[in-house]
Parts: sequence; C-alpha cells; structure tokens
Amino acid sequence: EVHLVESGEGLVQPGRSLRLSCTVTGFSFGDYAMSWFRLAPGKGLEWVGFIRSKPFGGTTEYAASVKGRFTISRDDSKSIAYLQMNSLKTEDTAVYYCARVHYYGSGKFFSDYWGQGTLVTVSS
Amino acid sequence: DIQLTQSPSFLSASVGDRVTITCRTSQGISSYLAWYQQKPGKAPKVLIYGASTLQSGVPSRFSGSGSGTEFTLTISSLQPEDFATYYCQQLYSYPLTFGGGTKVEIK
Repeated sequence: EVHLVESGEGLVQPGRSLRLSCTVTGFSFGDYAMSWFRLAPGKGLEWVGFIRSKPFGGTTEYAASVKGRFTISRDDSKSIAYLQMNSLKTEDTAVYYCARVHYYGSGKFFSDYWGQGTLVTVSS
Repeated sequence: DIQLTQSPSFLSASVGDRVTITCRTSQGISSYLAWYQQKPGKAPKVLIYGASTLQSGVPSRFSGSGSGTEFTLTISSLQPEDFATYYCQQLYSYPLTFGGGTKVEIK
C-alpha cells in the first residue's frame, strides 16, 4: 500500500528556514517524480514545485512565489523527498502536502497519491 | 502564468442534484486539465485528468469535459460524501496553476 508521510511541522519566525520531509513507502520511490503543494488558511490550493526522478535528470520546477527561496531535493536511498524553505514569509503559512507524480502522456502529469499534510506557521 | 477561473466559487445543492462546475483558462491548454476534490482536513484527491479521464476508483457520477479554454466537471447525482471543495488544475505548462476552488455545500 502506498503511503506518504510529511514531517517537519513547525512555527518559525519570518526570515528563518525550515525543512520538510516526505517519507514514502509502498512504491519504488526512485522511479517517480514528486510534487509539493500547499493550502494556506482561507486560500486555495497552490502547486509549490516538483522534482523529476534521477533517470530524467532529477531537475526541478517551482512556482514563482517560492522560486529562489525554496528547494526541492530527494534521497532515493531513503525514499524521502525534501522541501527546504528559506527566507520564510508570513504568507508561506500553510499546510504543505507532498504527492506522487503520475505521468499519463506527452510528458503531462497529475498527482495520484498524497500525504496527509504538515502545518507550517510563519509568525513573529 | 496561466490563470484559471472557476465558477461558481460556492454552490448550495441537495442530495440527488446534478451539479456542474466550470473552469476557464487564460490561454488554450488542449485537454491538459485535472480536477481534484478536497474535504476539510484531508489531502486532495484526483477525480479527473486529461479533462475527461476518470481516475481509477472514482465513482462514475463524476465526469469531465472540455478542451482549449473551457472545461466542466459534472456530478450527475450529488451524494452526501460529495460535499467538498473542488479545484481544477492546468497541466499544460509551468508553473502548474489551480483555479480558486468551488465549495459545494448542503442546501
């Protein structure tokens, strides 16, 4: 059975850093790209970014709102995806979700399995 | 960035009702669109991808249609477990973007 579990939840001051982890079981992690999303209070879903699998370069794409501040990485030996968040702002307060990428054609994908989410609060 | 506009943002409906949600994109995205359902405190769940392909395990009362810039999600007969927020997401180009969501509540 596929499971994704986010960790690293916390309260952090503006300008500081936090790293989230997404630990995966139930599938061959190294074969899949992984995405991160967030849901801020009173707002809608937002795609944060994703990381391709190593056979496809392990490269990343990001939303404009986090580009240059957030970094997605992966450790295939541990089946963990990471979201390193630097220079945090109050508007980064949200529940963060990791999700598995499912390609369905022409290089397009959606997210088929999701974690339960972890809360990040940025406040002084 | 591609902007997605969902309508309505809120709808009140009864069990058994037919419900339609619309998603319009700021530029053509062919059929590269997904629909997600999210309930409070839960992770999103994919319902439809490729604009009209039902994800495995999703009830057949859900259907999607459209291409280009206008898309719809239809629930043919609303069930109690369908009360949730629904989001469209374009899969055409980075950054991937979502519509603002449609909250479906019980009338």
